[in-house]
Amino acid sequence: EDQVTQSPEALRLQEGESSSLNCSYTVSGLRGLFWYRQDPGKGPEFLFTLYSAGEEKEKERLKATLTKKESFLHITAPKPEDSATYLCAVQAIRDSGYSTLTFGKGTMLLVSP
Amino acid sequence: SQTIHQWPATLVQPVGSPLSLECTVEGTSNPNLYWYRQAAGRGLQLLFYSVGIGQISSEVPQNLSASRPQDRQFILSSKKLLLSDSGFYLCAWRDRVDTEAFFGQGTRLTVV
Repeated sequence: EDQVTQSPEALRLQEGESSSLNCSYTVSGLRGLFWYRQDPGKGPEFLFTLYSAGEEKEKERLKATLTKKESFLHITAPKPEDSATYLCAVQAIRDSGYSTLTFGKGTMLLVSP
Repeated sequence: SQTIHQWPATLVQPVGSPLSLECTVEGTSNPNLYWYRQAAGRGLQLLFYSVGIGQISSEVPQNLSASRPQDRQFILSSKKLLLSDSGFYLCAWRDRVDTEAFFGQGTRLTVV
């Protein structure tokens, strides 16, 4: 069974204090790992897709990396507007042959000014 | 560009009442469509997905059902709501090629 575990569950940072969020996964044949940002009361907003170990993607203060067992979302010099819940998901292939996304529970990030 | 619409944004329903949540996608054809439920501390749980009109796959046995009467329309329904149906319901779409999913803004359902 595909599993996605995110840590920590919650993270509080001071503005400018860099850190990393972790997403470890167990999946039969990874075909994509996805990072999303979710603000309270809103739908998740897509950030990155990673397909193979060693791949990296960057967007403003965020950088996502992927290994064979986990992914990291690095946040450099965060600002209060980076406060949100960050979700990780892996693409799973069902018995039907179709693919769906399996999500972790997320990391709630709070950046204080 | 593609957009996804989901409504209503909030809903308060009594136990035993019916439910109908609608989701439509614009700007694409033959999308894969998904219904997720998000409960506090439990992450996003996949409820249903559809790869075409009339084709529905259920992930979790429950009090809900889904239908896809048109290519870009996905409906989540219940005949009689339970208290445990409360949650944040999200509709999502993706292309047939395995890519990222895009989400609607969600419906906050409270069953009282």
